[in-house]
Amino acid sequence: NAGVMQNPRHLVRRRGQEARLRCSPMKGHSHVYWYRQLPEEGLKFMVYLQKENIIDESGMPKERFSAEFPKEGPSILRIQQVVRGDSAAYFCASSPSSGANVLTFGAGSRLTVL
Amino acid sequence: GQNIDQPTEMTATEGAIVQINCTYQTSGFNGLFWYQQHAGEAPTFLSYNVLDGLEEKGRFSSFLSRSKGYSYLLLKELQMKDSASYLCAVRDKGTGANNLFFGTGTRLTVIP
Repeated sequence: NAGVMQNPRHLVRRRGQEARLRCSPMKGHSHVYWYRQLPEEGLKFMVYLQKENIIDESGMPKERFSAEFPKEGPSILRIQQVVRGDSAAYFCASSPSSGANVLTFGAGSRLTVL
Repeated sequence: GQNIDQPTEMTATEGAIVQINCTYQTSGFNGLFWYQQHAGEAPTFLSYNVLDGLEEKGRFSSFLSRSKGYSYLLLKELQMKDSASYLCAVRDKGTGANNLFFGTGTRLTVIP
C-alpha cells in the first residue's frame, strides 16, 4: 500500500513561469491537504480538498495559487507567475473519508524559483 | 485563529530524557498531534491526545492538559536517530474536520 506520492520531488522554475505540483493520496483516502514550509518555519496550511470540492482554502494566497482534486487523477497545486518568495517545500497529506483521523504526509515537493 | 508555541531548539545527550513543551490557543480544540520530521523528509505521526492525560507509546509519551492549553512530548532513552524536528499541531473544530495547524517545530539535537 503506497503512501502519499508527490511529484516532482524537486522543481526549478524561473520567475514568471508556472509550477504544477501533484499529489496522489494513499489508497482509500479521499481528503487531501496542502501545506507550505518555508526554510526555518513551520508547516502552514494552504488548502483542504475532497474529490471535486474545495472544503477550506483559507490558507491560500488570493492570487496566483489554485488547487484541484478531480474525480480521476491526483490533486494538483498550481502556482502561476512564480516569484522568488514561492520557493519552499510543499507538502501534501491525506486522510480517510470518515471520522477525524491522522494526516499522512508525502515526502514533499521542493520548489526553487530562480 | 490558532496560536501554537514551542521552543525553537533543544539539545540533549544520548541515553537521556528530554521533554518538549507546546502551548496552544484555539477556539475549538479537537485534538493535539505530535509529528517528527527529519531534515528534508516528510513529517511522520508520533502521537495524538484529545483527552487530558498521558499517552505512552514505547520510548515516546505525550501529555495533554486542555484547561492549561499545554502539551509535552517526552522522549526517553534518546538515540542519535532522534535528532529531528518535533512538530506540535492542533485540530480546530471550526475548520475542516481533519485540518491541522502546526507550530514552528522544535529542532532537537542529540549529542553523544
